[in-house]
Amino acid sequence: QKEVEQNSGPLSVPEGAIASLNCTYSDRGSQSFFWYRQYSGKSPELIMFIYSNGDKEDGRFTAQLNKASQYVSLLIRDSQPSDSATYLCAVDGSTLGRLYFGRGTQLTVWP
Amino acid sequence: DGGITQSPKYLFRKEGQNVTLSCEQNLNHDAMYWYRQDPGQGLRLIYYSQIVNDFQKGDIAEGYSVSREKKESFPLTVTSAQKNPTAFYLCASTETSGGTYNEQFFGPGTRLTVL
Repeated sequence: QKEVEQNSGPLSVPEGAIASLNCTYSDRGSQSFFWYRQYSGKSPELIMFIYSNGDKEDGRFTAQLNKASQYVSLLIRDSQPSDSATYLCAVDGSTLGRLYFGRGTQLTVWP
Repeated sequence: DGGITQSPKYLFRKEGQNVTLSCEQNLNHDAMYWYRQDPGQGLRLIYYSQIVNDFQKGDIAEGYSVSREKKESFPLTVTSAQKNPTAFYLCASTETSGGTYNEQFFGPGTRLTVL
């Protein structure tokens, strides 16, 4: 069974701060890594994906991948109350076409 | 607009009933998926299909059945054998190119409640 672990929440940060969300995975063969945002009662929406070691930036979001440590993170700069949601980490595995999801980290950004 | 639609948005089932959740996509994606989400939990894979007329069990297939007769459609039946079906059900699809699977896109979900 593939394991995807996320830092236990909930995580609470003030508006304007940096929110750091972490994820570790067990399958060394994983190649594709995704971060989804899920608002309460809604379906997940993709916000970032990363395939190569290092950092990938998109606006206020930065994904960081370290395959040697089997670790992927998401940084949200200048956090806004609208960023309050559950963030799901997803990782591919050896079974073609499958993604494995963590349980999610609930983030609250307070004004 | 391209996207994934699920219906109904809310569904109520009496014990002993079979119910079918609809999932349709017009993204021309080959692969489609059904997940179940319980409160405070991540997504658990029920079934997935990589091509028409073929599908595989996920991690929690017991009590569920699917069909994939058309590329656009992947309905999920929750049978009476599923003892605790109350959950949020999510359908997803993904583009496949040259054997590579890209990110999954999700429909809006169906919330199923057993009365």
